[in-house]
Amino acid sequence: DAGITQSPRHKVTETGTPVTLRCHQTENHRYMYWYRQDPGHGLRLIHYSYGVKDTDKGEVSDGYSVSRSKTEDFLLTLESATSSQTSVYFCAISETGGYGYTFGSGTRLTVV
Amino acid sequence: AQSVTQPDIHITVSEGASLELRCNYSYGATPYLFWYVQSPGQGLQLLLKYFSGDTLVQGIKGFEAEFKRSQSSFNLRKPSVHWSDAAEYFCAVGATGGYNKLIFGAGTRLAVHP
Repeated sequence: DAGITQSPRHKVTETGTPVTLRCHQTENHRYMYWYRQDPGHGLRLIHYSYGVKDTDKGEVSDGYSVSRSKTEDFLLTLESATSSQTSVYFCAISETGGYGYTFGSGTRLTVV
Repeated sequence: AQSVTQPDIHITVSEGASLELRCNYSYGATPYLFWYVQSPGQGLQLLLKYFSGDTLVQGIKGFEAEFKRSQSSFNLRKPSVHWSDAAEYFCAVGATGGYNKLIFGAGTRLAVHP
């Protein structure tokens, strides 16, 4: 989607390795979110940010950490990847939070 | 706590038939409600949203949704489905407090038969 880019688009990694996913926006939006999508669960919130260096946990934050050192970048790190973290990860941005999001195209992560 | 239920996991309709996808929410105050669509391998695209006012909301691609407070529902409808509507549809509710996180339902996968 225009204004929001996720990288990489696909990644295969081994159990126990660290992995960082990047979300980059050009919209200067305050709010950024990381979700994971799994069959039967819809999208579940991992972490979110409401400003530079301001982040908080979502409903499925265990095993994940985030950082936001610049408005435009929101990084999601799996400190030690596990097979249960195989998923599609979506980043979203919002200017006003609850008024709706714009989503990135997703990152498909496979942990083997 | 907020929650969203989409009772139908899969729905199959014939092209040209009408469509209704169900969404029920749990939220103490007036919610912000959304419908998103996801085509295979793609991100989510906003179809429509409800904040206040007229309870019948028009969206893109010919979709509409009706907010019914008494039933805690926000069902998505389309009078005539096209083959290109085959996708997964997600209902979401947003809070007016905190940092306005969206809570999503599990999704309904729509198949369209020719």
